[in-house]
Parts: sequence; structure tokens; C-alpha cells
Amino acid sequence: DSGVTQTPKHLITATGQRVTLRCSPRSGDLSVYWYQQSLDQGLQFLIQYYNGEERAKGNILERFSAQQFPDLHSELNLSSLELGDSALYFCASSVVGTDYNEQFFGPGTRLTVL
Amino acid sequence: GENVEQHPSTLSVQEGDSAVIKCTYSDSASNYFPWYKQELGKGPQLIIDIRSNVGEKKDQRIAVTLNKTAKHFSLHITETQPEDSAVYFCAPSTGGTSYGKLTFGQGTILTVHP
Repeated sequence: DSGVTQTPKHLITATGQRVTLRCSPRSGDLSVYWYQQSLDQGLQFLIQYYNGEERAKGNILERFSAQQFPDLHSELNLSSLELGDSALYFCASSVVGTDYNEQFFGPGTRLTVL
Repeated sequence: GENVEQHPSTLSVQEGDSAVIKCTYSDSASNYFPWYKQELGKGPQLIIDIRSNVGEKKDQRIAVTLNKTAKHFSLHITETQPEDSAVYFCAPSTGGTSYGKLTFGQGTILTVHP
């Protein structure tokens, strides 16, 4: 158990809908990262937050957004969902969020868009 | 951006044999080199990492070696056991404005036969 929690574990929805994925980092970790894992794209970095502020962006679609709240939990919002958005979404946390930071991953949310 | 290649894509060994997985990266600014293990239905788990000022690190049956000049690092597993069967990912990271985001390789499916 990494100490990172993600809810829900599974999510099934329809095209065009909007969903919210939630992540609680390990106690004491200030930085949260979101990654997407799909068969064709592999594991890809989406976005990073540090202590409430956006720090770095990867290949995140404009339909996707995230935020980190004062209690440090984070939410990833996916809107206007398409079939291709079906994937595993992982959250990871680390202490600082700069160099040499071990990142600990949650169990993921499996999103299925029908 | 960083290009990461991992070889082989699949590796099948007998219990007790050694396994070696190689990761080649393109960004000479990369300074942190972790390996992750992902079991079915779980999030990636950090198993070992190395920093750019170190050439080799060992933790029981697992070791990582780094060749910064050639821009590659390798995972070595000795005395393999069936529970080592999983997908292994390298994920080099660059500090600075990348703030520690990980760029994952394509993964290596390791199967250890009893």
C-alpha cells in the first residue's frame, strides 16, 4: 500500500459526459501528479500540482482539467468524454515535487467510456 | 522532449535465472532514474532508483546501473522468483522546469517460470 488513495476504482460512463476523479496524496506529500495509462499511449504524464499550484503540464487535453485543494487532495476533471479517453488514470504523490523525488502511485481509476 | 526506449519488450526466464532490462533515454539533463514494477490491476510501484552522480545501486536481488555517457540505465534482477513476474517500467526524470515529471518507457513484461 503506497498511502495514495484514489476514488472511484471503476467508472463507466457515456460519450459526452463529464467525470471527476479524486486523489488523496500520502500524508506529508505536497506534490500530486496525474498520469494516464492506455494500451496505445502507454503511461503518460498529464499534469502536476504542488501545494495548490499548477507546476507542470504534459499531454493533457483541453477537455481535461485538474486542481489541488487546501487539504492537498486533488481532482482530475474530464469533460466531453470520447471513446478514446477510456484508460487507467493514476495519481502519484511526492514530498517536494522537484528533483530526485520518489513518486508513489495510487491504485488508479479505470475509466470506461461507452 | 525526452525519448525513452526500453528493451526487451518481453522477457521469459526460468526461476533462479537473472533478468536484465535496458532503458535508453535522450535528454542529457535527466538526473533521476527510477524503475517501477506494475502488477496486474495495481499502480506502478517504485522498486529502485538511482541518481545521476551514482553509477550503481543494489538492494538485495535488485540492482540498477547507470551509464550517463551512453545515456542508458539497466535493471538487474538476480535469482528470479515467480512473484517477480510483472511489467517493469523505466521512467527517467529531469529536474528544473520539468519539476520531476516521469517519462515512462513502453514497459517490459517479465515472466518467471517455476
